[in-house]
Amino acid sequence: NAGVTQTPKFQVLKTGQSMTLQCAQDMNHNSMYWYRQDPGMGLRLIYYSASEGTTDKGEVPNGYNVSRLNKREFSLRLESAAPSQTSVYFCASIGQGLVGSNQPQHFGDGTRLSIL
Amino acid sequence: GNSVTQMEGPVTLSEEAFLTINCTYTATGYPSLFWYVQYPGEGLQLLLKATKADDKGSNKGFEATYRKETTSFHLEKGSVQVSDSAVYFCALSDRAAGNKLTFGGGTRVLVKP
Repeated sequence: NAGVTQTPKFQVLKTGQSMTLQCAQDMNHNSMYWYRQDPGMGLRLIYYSASEGTTDKGEVPNGYNVSRLNKREFSLRLESAAPSQTSVYFCASIGQGLVGSNQPQHFGDGTRLSIL
Repeated sequence: GNSVTQMEGPVTLSEEAFLTINCTYTATGYPSLFWYVQYPGEGLQLLLKATKADDKGSNKGFEATYRKETTSFHLEKGSVQVSDSAVYFCALSDRAAGNKLTFGGGTRVLVKP
């Protein structure tokens, strides 16, 4: 199935553990994004990658790192998980057209992460 | 910076009622506007979009008009169904900001039979 695939779907960690969330898209999109969703706060951008080989901080980057492994894959790493990072994480991608901002982002189904 | 404000929920309606979810935005450039819908346990799906002033986006009976003069993009549906129960997010994308999406806080809608 075409689209954005996130793994795992669920994960429980202990404080201080590390983990990498995986994201892959098969739509040949240039730009990829990581968001976190918390109740009443919508989605907030953690990091994004406008194109292969580049990454930039979003609104809430602290405590996270990212890697744009290739055009398809964009991973999010928690080096030392904290309870405040309990959230639902969404990966998204967007193609680049002549008028890039008119195109919608395509979202994965999310990773539900709990940190005890 | 860019921001999106939408009405807080939850909004509880009876089937066939009229739905309005208010959304206003602040942007420094000329944004595109979107409504996304999130069904329980799923990711966000694009519901509709509008790319310039006075454009009307529509899909599945939902409509929203890009009003530059009031910086608004209110979502409406004339007759809701139980299957419309979901969380709705208003968002803007600004090419000047690298196509990053800025989201509102989301509005949960519950439609009762």
